[in-house]
Amino acid sequence: DAGVIQSPRHEVTEMGQEVTLRCKPISGHNSLFWYRQTMMRGLELLIYFNNNVPIDDSGMPEDRFSAKMPNASFSTLKIQPSEPRDSAVYFCASRRTGGTVTDTQYFGPGTRLTVL
Amino acid sequence: RKEVEQDPGPFNVPEGATVAFNCTYSNSASQSFFWYRQDCRKEPKLLMSVYSSGNEDGRFTAQLNRASQYISLLIRDSKLSDSATYLCVVGNQAGTALIFGKGTTLSVSS
Repeated sequence: DAGVIQSPRHEVTEMGQEVTLRCKPISGHNSLFWYRQTMMRGLELLIYFNNNVPIDDSGMPEDRFSAKMPNASFSTLKIQPSEPRDSAVYFCASRRTGGTVTDTQYFGPGTRLTVL
Repeated sequence: RKEVEQDPGPFNVPEGATVAFNCTYSNSASQSFFWYRQDCRKEPKLLMSVYSSGNEDGRFTAQLNRASQYISLLIRDSKLSDSATYLCVVGNQAGTALIFGKGTTLSVSS
């Protein structure tokens, strides 16, 4: 099993630019989560999908952030326009069961984003 | 009050020591509890689930006190390879997503 795949692994961009982060969940997993991790705030849930449908996006910081899951094997998190305070590590995670947290959640390696 | 609170540490211990981490959570309706481990510049990985009766996995023991809304992790006979950040994790009330503490950093030295 390839695990959760994220790209790019590192991204350095300038303020105001659009940033798109990509995630491929583990095959057969039907829940997908986007997290952001910073030293100050720790690991925060941004949004999660069940069966490609966004269920809870209350963690999305503002309208500059958007996420899509067009099919079961691909999701994107877009920031437009990016700001220096968006600098963080963004993790994608997937889980087999859509209903409960009892199944293990597997994280991708993360995308380290730096906005100058 | 933060949903999941942990002492950030760092905890610096010698090899062979026993170390305990504590965590409190705010939502009494939470039903699922976990400890995750995160190595430096890596992703979090599930270490163990935490059950009401307490559970053990080798050198690791997890305890849950629902009345006090308190979770603990005990590591016996610490190894150098145990050095990492340990994240206390609680399922949300709906049981659909996880809420992470900010983590406790452990450094084991020889």
